[in-house]
Amino acid sequence: EVQLQESGPGLVKPSQSLSLTCSVTGYSITSNYWGWIRKFPGNKMEWMGYISYSGSTSYNPSLKSRISITRDTSKNQFFLQLNSVTTEDTATYYCARGYGGYSDLFAYWGQGTLVTVSS
Amino acid sequence: NIVLTQSPATLSVTPGESVSLSCRASQSISTSIHWYQQKSNESPRLLIKYASQSISGIPSRFSGSGSGTDFTLSINRVESEDFSIYYCQQSYSSLYTFGAGTKLELK
Repeated sequence: EVQLQESGPGLVKPSQSLSLTCSVTGYSITSNYWGWIRKFPGNKMEWMGYISYSGSTSYNPSLKSRISITRDTSKNQFFLQLNSVTTEDTATYYCARGYGGYSDLFAYWGQGTLVTVSS
Repeated sequence: NIVLTQSPATLSVTPGESVSLSCRASQSISTSIHWYQQKSNESPRLLIKYASQSISGIPSRFSGSGSGTDFTLSINRVESEDFSIYYCQQSYSSLYTFGAGTKLELK
């Protein structure tokens, strides 16, 4: 069974970078699509981007200048980096796997990790 | 950006009732809409894909319909475990977006 687990700092200072890891078990990240989605206080959800089985990426244009999604296939992990964070980046961050061979809907999700941006 | 408007924001029901949750898109998106359920302190769960296609392991009381701009998630005879937030998500454009959610609560 595929399982995803987010990890990283729960508190980041404004203007710094947010870095999260998604560790995947039960499935190789060299197959399918792997994404990041966040949920803001108040329940708004935002798709951030994905990395594909081949390593290609797609990002939400509203984040494009600040976001990077990379991977380490030897560890079966993929990563989110979001630069120049502000308090508006405070959210619960989820990693997820695409459904079947699709990038556009999400079948498996991590439990989520709350990241607070505050000085 | 394609905006998804979900209504109502909150729906209060008693177990056994059947309900319909609405999701309206700001432009036609064919059937590129997907529905998720999120219970408190849990991660979202995919319920319905491409407007009306079922997902393995999801109870048959959940169904979806619609095309173009108007979509509906129906729950036939709500059970206590169904009280949660429901989101729609579109993938017609390469910028995937979510609705604001409908909270299904116990009356």
